[in-house]
Amino acid sequence: DSGVTQTPKHLITATGQRVTLRCSPRSGDLSVYWYQQSLDQGLQFLIQYYNGEERAKGNILERFSAQQFPDLHSELNLSSLELGDSALYFCASSPLRDSGANVLTFGAGSRLTVL
Amino acid sequence: AQSVAQPEDQVNVAEGNPLTVKCTYSVSGNPYLFWYVQYPNRGLQFLLKYITGDNLVKGSYGFEAEFNKSQTSFHLKKPSALVSDSALYFCAVRDWDFDGGSQGNLIFGKGTKLSVKP
Repeated sequence: DSGVTQTPKHLITATGQRVTLRCSPRSGDLSVYWYQQSLDQGLQFLIQYYNGEERAKGNILERFSAQQFPDLHSELNLSSLELGDSALYFCASSPLRDSGANVLTFGAGSRLTVL
Repeated sequence: AQSVAQPEDQVNVAEGNPLTVKCTYSVSGNPYLFWYVQYPNRGLQFLLKYITGDNLVKGSYGFEAEFNKSQTSFHLKKPSALVSDSALYFCAVRDWDFDGGSQGNLIFGKGTKLSVKP
């Protein structure tokens, strides 16, 4: 157990729907990162939050949004879902904001299937 | 822009033989480099990192990696492979912003599938 908790583990939904993925970071970690893993794109960075504030943005679609709450858990909202959004979504956390030596600790992932 | 390349999609090794998983990098600024492993239906697990100092970095499960600045490489190695080492291995580099310097997120390679046969 890495200490990073993601729910749900699996999610099956239809095109056009909206889903929310949840992440609780490791105790003491202030930064949360979201990644998307698909067969054709590999591991893509979506977005980072640090202590409640958006810190960095990657290849996140406009249909996707995220936030980090005062208790430091984070949610990734995916809307108007398309077949191509089917992927494994990972959350990771780290203690500091941008230290080069930071190690990201990953959760087990949420597998989203869009039918 | 920061990037890493893993030139091999798959590496096959016999148990007991040494293994090498290759990674080359391209960076602006300091190369903060990482190796992660992903077992089936699991998240990524940290193996080791290079920040500064010795070019040979030792990590978890007997793995080590050699940082080579002139060849811009950071190959993952293990002297004697185990069947249980079979997994997907990712090389990663810390992102870099010219205004802010080192960023928090990692940029990952495509991954290399390691298969160790008995």
